[in-house]
Amino acid sequence: DAKTTQPNSMESNEEEPVHLPCNHSTISGTDYIHWYRQLPSQGPEYVIHGLTSNVNNRMASLAIAEDRKSSTLILHRATLRDAAVYYCILIGDTGNQFYFGTGTSLTVIP
Amino acid sequence: DVKVTQSSRYLVKRTGEKVFLECVQDMDHENMFWYRQDPGLGLRLIYFSYDVKMKEKGDIPEGYSVSREKKERFSLILESASTNQTSMYLCASSSGTSGTIQETQYFGPGTRLLVL
Repeated sequence: DAKTTQPNSMESNEEEPVHLPCNHSTISGTDYIHWYRQLPSQGPEYVIHGLTSNVNNRMASLAIAEDRKSSTLILHRATLRDAAVYYCILIGDTGNQFYFGTGTSLTVIP
Repeated sequence: DVKVTQSSRYLVKRTGEKVFLECVQDMDHENMFWYRQDPGLGLRLIYFSYDVKMKEKGDIPEGYSVSREKKERFSLILESASTNQTSMYLCASSSGTSGTIQETQYFGPGTRLLVL
């Protein structure tokens, strides 16, 4: 199964950009890259997803490497509310790649 | 807004009991999922369903079964609860436009199950 690897934790200062990396070297051509985040005592919530091209939405940007073996979630200005665990997952046509792993715990320092 | 609700936030059961965890979504989504979340292991997929009465095993289906009799409801069943099934259980749903499963997943708040 294609899986993802992420750093266990990262820190950022408030109002600075944050780049959260994810490696997915065994990604297949039909796998979408999804990012979710989980605030304390809540279920995960969707952040962004993409297939090949970089994507932007109101929450974040997603930069996908040309070979698709890695991606980076970009929070342009971290706020205290962005402190959460961020998960990078692959979702493919067969449905057998919902691997969330342990994600990256982001701490935002005031 | 999509709403995914789970029948209980906290549940305490005894070893050997049959446990039902219920999940309901109100957005007419085709796909529904059950995960468990444990410290150090992240979220792991137990089962998912892409249509009524259809189910697929995830990574850790052993000790669990599921039921999807209606589109909006997906139940997780622990036939004989064991202490190693103490965990946080999360339900999610997504639309399955054109039979795909790549759509955004919407999660419920979770059920924290303690098996004594």
